[in-house]
Amino acid sequence: DIQMTQSPPSLAASVGDRVSITCRASQGISIWLGWYQQKPGKAPKSLMYAANSLQSGVPSRFSGSVSGTDFTLTIISLQPEDFATYYCQQYSAYPRTFGQGTRLEIK
Amino acid sequence: EVQLLESGGGLVQPGGSLRLSCTASGFTFSTYAMSWVRQAPGKGLEWVSGISGSGDNRYYTDSVKGRFTISRDNSKNTLYMQMNSLRAEDTAVYYCAKDWNGGDYWGQGTLVTVSS
Repeated sequence: DIQMTQSPPSLAASVGDRVSITCRASQGISIWLGWYQQKPGKAPKSLMYAANSLQSGVPSRFSGSVSGTDFTLTIISLQPEDFATYYCQQYSAYPRTFGQGTRLEIK
Repeated sequence: EVQLLESGGGLVQPGGSLRLSCTASGFTFSTYAMSWVRQAPGKGLEWVSGISGSGDNRYYTDSVKGRFTISRDNSKNTLYMQMNSLRAEDTAVYYCAKDWNGGDYWGQGTLVTVSS
């Protein structure tokens, strides 16, 4: 199985800050990675697919990048509604696997 | 508008069975693979199972192989998960997801609690 190592586990930031979350795949997955946002008590919401493509309706302050097996989600100019938990998921192969999650908290 | 609505969750004793359903609307159901993803209380997301659009190909995470069976009825736009020999560690919210580039749409989830 492909392992996804996500970091950091938690992150404290302020409104207006720029933050980055990374995921490293245990083997090559090309660009087949998605990012999800989850708020307490809610279903996950897809933010990004194919490493750096925004889902429809997702603000452009979210962006993704890839370098080899390292993937990064960057949020510029954090807004109050961005404080949530973020997950990466590879869909290059079955079983699909998620990162452990990053909880983004208000500083 | 894409909608996914799960049902069938509840309280079940260890060793018991449960069948989850996910009714889809707003897209051509038979065209897309579908997945089940679960989340234990206070924990992260865990992909559980997936099925191709035709239903010919099915995939499972190791911990549920031989106990869970994913299926779909494309005439009813419905995805299923038959869960047998349930264990306490299967306690979670179960989400169905439309599997296009990962999961582009998710249902609201249904809670399965395995406890005596």
